[in-house]
Amino acid sequence: SQTIHQWPATLVQPVGSPLSLECTVEGTSNPNLYWYRQAAGRGLQLLFYSVGIGQISSEVPQNLSASRPQDRQFILSSKKLLLSDSGFYLCACPGKRGAWGTGELFFGEGSRLTVL
Amino acid sequence: AQKVTQAQTEISVVEKEDVTLDCVYETRDTTYYLFWYKQPPSGELVFLIRRNSFDEQNEISGRYSWNFQKSTSSFNFTITASQVVDSAVYFCALWVTSGTYKYIFGTGTRLKVLA
Repeated sequence: SQTIHQWPATLVQPVGSPLSLECTVEGTSNPNLYWYRQAAGRGLQLLFYSVGIGQISSEVPQNLSASRPQDRQFILSSKKLLLSDSGFYLCACPGKRGAWGTGELFFGEGSRLTVL
Repeated sequence: AQKVTQAQTEISVVEKEDVTLDCVYETRDTTYYLFWYKQPPSGELVFLIRRNSFDEQNEISGRYSWNFQKSTSSFNFTITASQVVDSAVYFCALWVTSGTYKYIFGTGTRLKVLA
């Protein structure tokens, strides 16, 4: 089974500072990877998804960016954080086909970002 | 375009009551998957169930049951004899398999089960 690791788990950053959140996946290869954000008390907003190394699709125009330097690594970054970037960031990838069925997303533990 | 609507923002029930969480979806595709996830206070999303568009059979798993009706584009989730541990935010999601890798989530329903 795949495992999704995210770090840091918690982050408090001042406005205007840079950001780097990392997600790594174990137990699978060539996964589609996703970054979601959940603002306080809100639903899940898809930020980025990637179908392979160096391939990033952005869903929401903003001051965030994503990169996929390795097959099982997905990084969310910002050069200058805004107050509105506060939220709970979740990395996800689909389960394997076959023994895992089809399509359901599995999520990491999340990274909680507070911008002050 | 695809869309998932969870009209119930928050529901409160007393322990042992039954509760149904509603999910309505929109898609023009004929092949798709629907999911339910649970998000306990710890934050991590836990996968509960998957249903594909060709399988309208309802499913029961312990106290959980799911009612999928294509005629009304609904995929509702019922918890029987609710317990305090069921308190969480529940998300319904849609994945259309043709030409997209995107999963569309509803805004979630916060369920509070009171002792």
